Amino acid sequence: DVKVTQSSRYLVKRTGEKVFLECVQDMDHENMFWYRQDPGLGLRLIYFSYDVKMKEKGDIPEGYSVSREKKERFSLILESASTNQTSMYLCASSLVDSNYGYTFGSGTRLTVV
Amino acid sequence: QKEVEQNSGPLSVPEGAIASLNCTYSDRGSQSFFWYRQYSGKSPELIMSIYSNGDKEDGRFTAQLNKASQYVSLLIRDSQPSDSATYLCAVKEYSSASKIIFGSGTRLSIRP
Repeated sequence: DVKVTQSSRYLVKRTGEKVFLECVQDMDHENMFWYRQDPGLGLRLIYFSYDVKMKEKGDIPEGYSVSREKKERFSLILESASTNQTSMYLCASSLVDSNYGYTFGSGTRLTVV
Repeated sequence: QKEVEQNSGPLSVPEGAIASLNCTYSDRGSQSFFWYRQYSGKSPELIMSIYSNGDKEDGRFTAQLNKASQYVSLLIRDSQPSDSATYLCAVKEYSSASKIIFGSGTRLSIRP
């Protein structure tokens, strides 16, 4: 069964900490995406990557960075976590043209205290 | 700014009835359309994709596409309590090789 795996289901971090969220896919997909989802705001794109070491900003990149050193792995980094980054974080991947849609990971619910 | 619009609901439908979910989009050149189901606390799951005008059926689900009206819908026949979820309409951008725009979702509740 093909998968997008996010390393943590629940995470609690303190304000100011550097936080790493990891995502691994086994489908040999070219594209990978990071979203956050908040009640009433829907899915908001943070960053995406269409190739190793390539990245593009999404709609809300402030306070975040990403790393893609290998095709199967895409990491989201919160440089200095703040309480307004408490959210559900979703990783997704797709083929190069996304014509078959995205496959999502199970999500990481991050709480910053 | 490309947009995908859905009624947020909640849409309440009796068990066994047909649930009808609607979506409009702004990117006239879009060619690929998707419906995702998301249970509370879970991640979105792709349930239907449609690429041509008309209807596409898969079990109890039918996706309908009208590109001239920029309108996509999802029909769920014989609705079951397990269909209670949020349904996200998603449209692939014409100008981007890879980006998909998501609507904010319609919350569907099937009442026994």
